Amino acid sequence: DTEVTQTPKHLVMGMTNKKSLKCEQHMGHRAMYWYKQKAKKPPELMFVYSYEKLSINESVPSRFSPECPNSSLLNLHLHALQPEDSALYLCASSQSGGSYEQYFGPGTRLTVT
Amino acid sequence: EDQVTQSPEALRLQEGESSSLNCSYTVSGLRGLFWYRQDPGKGPEFLFTLYSAGEEKEKERLKATLTKKESFLHITAPKPEDSATYLCAVQAWKGGSEKLVFGKGTKLTVNP
Repeated sequence: DTEVTQTPKHLVMGMTNKKSLKCEQHMGHRAMYWYKQKAKKPPELMFVYSYEKLSINESVPSRFSPECPNSSLLNLHLHALQPEDSALYLCASSQSGGSYEQYFGPGTRLTVT
Repeated sequence: EDQVTQSPEALRLQEGESSSLNCSYTVSGLRGLFWYRQDPGKGPEFLFTLYSAGEEKEKERLKATLTKKESFLHITAPKPEDSATYLCAVQAWKGGSEKLVFGKGTKLTVNP
């Protein structure tokens, strides 16, 4: 089973709201990722967790706050977002960091109004 | 800087018309080249990993090959359900960290 699940599928939020995106995998993977994807662009890396520790933060604004409660779960907390943050947010996991293939979830379509 | 370039940007084929997609890369020490398929509004679906020049992988109508400078995704007798954007990515150093560096993708349309 190579399934990564994400909830919710769609999210509409105002600029003053606080919301969270959730991601789960049960493949025993030890690296998990958040990507942002705008229309007709490739995915853009935001954060990497390796063995439940934040290993890469691609200079993402502080209104995005990641959290890895355990090796199977990854959250992305959202606060005071801007309309330009509207995008498809993808979670991925891999066996560990480095040269292992990443498996992506279906994504959360976020719209900021 | 490590780069990935895919061509063509878009490709239209008739059902059954075989063709190839190209992914050229410049990277210091390739640690893996990956092909993904992405349908509109969905997450990328993993297809293949290639690690060394000369390696080939096959899955149904798709075959991926790798040389020292580029990879090809060959599509044999495509069907309309093969329509999607195909993304190539390499594991590389960019911006001070190791990450997947994606090409911009090739949008494939297969007409019945």
